[in-house]
Amino acid sequence: DGGITQSPKYLFRKEGQNVTLSCEQNLNHDAMYWYRQDPGQGLRLIYYSQIVNDFQKGDIAEGYSVSREKKESFPLTVTSAQKNPTAFYLCASSIGPGTQYFGPGTRLTVL
Amino acid sequence: KNEVEQSPQNLTAQEGEFITINCSYSVGISALHWLQQHPGGGIVSLFMLSSGKKKHGRLIATINIQEKHSSLHITASHPRDSAVYICAVRWRAESGGSNYKLTFGKGTLLTVNP
Repeated sequence: DGGITQSPKYLFRKEGQNVTLSCEQNLNHDAMYWYRQDPGQGLRLIYYSQIVNDFQKGDIAEGYSVSREKKESFPLTVTSAQKNPTAFYLCASSIGPGTQYFGPGTRLTVL
Repeated sequence: KNEVEQSPQNLTAQEGEFITINCSYSVGISALHWLQQHPGGGIVSLFMLSSGKKKHGRLIATINIQEKHSSLHITASHPRDSAVYICAVRWRAESGGSNYKLTFGKGTLLTVNP
């Protein structure tokens, strides 16, 4: 079964700790994306990667970091520098600029 | 910047009703997406269109490029259609450049009662 997975579904962390969210896809897509969703707001792009070993900042990259060492994987680290990290995080992938396929999301709560 | 507005924000309907959700945007686009987000949070892509009309089952999406407006229609609505419907537009961030952006609307929460 091809698809995109995110883990864990729910994540709790103490303030000041870095946390890494996993995103894996077996769709053989070159492009991968991380979005943040907050209540009452549209999805906002954090980082994206169009190819392995390359990634670009999105609209709200401050306080986040990513890596793209493998085509299948695009982990997102929420650092202690992110002032308001509690949110729903969605990963997506696509073949070029076409339809994006979304993962199930990770809900991060910082206590 | 491309402003994407959806209306209504919330919509409650009775099973069987015809539903219309609207999306308007401010800057010319190359494509528009309609997405569905269920209560668990996962998002499914329903349509990608750049002109005219597309139909899939009870769902119909239309777009008017000149008016910068799209509609998503649901015929014979059912409680399982209850979800948040999101419009997203793909547009060129710089004139003549190859940098495209995807801007999302805030979503329309649809509740269909039995």
